[in-house]
Amino acid sequence: DGGITQSPKYLFRKEGQNVTLSCEQNLNHDAMYWYRQDPGQGLRLIYYSQIVNDFQKGDIAEGYSVSREKKESFPLTVTSAQKNPTAFYLCASTPVGRTDTQYFGPGTRLTVL
Amino acid sequence: GQNIDQPTEMTATEGAIVQINCTYQTSGFNGLFWYQQHAGEAPTFLSYNVLDGLEEKGRFSSFLSRSKGYSYLLLKELQMKDSASYLCAVLNFNKFYFGSGTKLNVKP
Repeated sequence: DGGITQSPKYLFRKEGQNVTLSCEQNLNHDAMYWYRQDPGQGLRLIYYSQIVNDFQKGDIAEGYSVSREKKESFPLTVTSAQKNPTAFYLCASTPVGRTDTQYFGPGTRLTVL
Repeated sequence: GQNIDQPTEMTATEGAIVQINCTYQTSGFNGLFWYQQHAGEAPTFLSYNVLDGLEEKGRFSSFLSRSKGYSYLLLKELQMKDSASYLCAVLNFNKFYFGSGTKLNVKP
């Protein structure tokens, strides 16, 4: 089955701790994205990557970091510098040249206590 | 900046037709998307418009007017399972910008 996986679905962390959210895809897509969604809000872009070893900041990158060492993987680290990390995090991917087709993972709900 | 507006919430009756509007002001435009999102789940793709006009796909249709910065999603023969949030998104080069979503409540 091809798709995007995010794990875990629910994650709890104490304030001040860094946490890494995983995103893996086996669709052979080149571009990958991380979004954040707060209750009653749309999606806001955190980071995106068009190719391996390259990524760009989105609109709300402060307090987050990413890496893209492999085409299939785009992990997101929520650092202690992120002031309000509790949110629903969604990973997505698109084939290069086919941005009309964006696939989403199931999401990770992060709660910082 | 990028600005995408949609109504916060709408209510409609099972079997009826509902139109969800979206207006946008963005620095560039490469397409407009509609997604459906049930609570706690990821968005699922509904439609994509890049040229002016109406795109029909079963019970769902989407319209685009680029000159007016306007789109709507039309849902026909509403079913209870259509109760969800509907997100309008604009693709600007290789970045997607989302509206806050319209929560649709379908009542019997």
